[in-house]
Amino acid sequence: NAGVTQTPKFQVLKTGQSMTLQCAQDMNHEYMSWYRQDPGMGLRLIHYSVGAGITDQGEVPNGYNVSRSTTEDFPLRLLSAAPSQTSVYFCASSYYRGGTQYFGPGTRLLVL
Amino acid sequence: DQQVKQNSPSLSVQEGRISILNCDYTNSMFDYFLWYKKYPAEGPTFLISISSIKDKNEDGRFTVFLNKSAKHLSLHIVPSQPGDSAVYFCAASGSEKLVFGKGTKLTVNP
Repeated sequence: NAGVTQTPKFQVLKTGQSMTLQCAQDMNHEYMSWYRQDPGMGLRLIHYSVGAGITDQGEVPNGYNVSRSTTEDFPLRLLSAAPSQTSVYFCASSYYRGGTQYFGPGTRLLVL
Repeated sequence: DQQVKQNSPSLSVQEGRISILNCDYTNSMFDYFLWYKKYPAEGPTFLISISSIKDKNEDGRFTVFLNKSAKHLSLHIVPSQPGDSAVYFCAASGSEKLVFGKGTKLTVNP
């Protein structure tokens, strides 16, 4: 049981490049979410999904896209990276929205 | 509108003493509260939780207290150990929302 896995661990992008942050969980959780963590800002919700085929925006969704084609996977796409998206990104999952969330190890993203 | 507040960005205590981390919330719909612990370069890990029907929950060295009338919860760590040095996030859940505070960095000095 690997829990929540994220790839890559670290990525450097140039402004305007696109990329996908991968997230997978093997706990059969319906709810999955993406957060970004910035100094002094805590954990801010980007997008979330309450089940396959259902996604919605969180607190800071601009510049990010998500999709949920399977229960296990919830990728986060940056369409045109900006320096303001330099951050640490965490994926999390839980049985239901509002339940105890289990986090992945994070992806550190640097946008130059 | 910050619904979950951790007003102390940092806290420093001596090994063996008690650490008390505080958290305030504003939304009376929250009915489940959690504490997460985060080490550098790792994801947050669940530590302990409490339901709004209780006022105390204990797990080893960690105890969470809930004061609903004051909309306040606290995490007590006794005795504190250097390995407890981490950032602690308070979170509150209700109406299908889970809201995090900004975190408190705890440093336990040997």
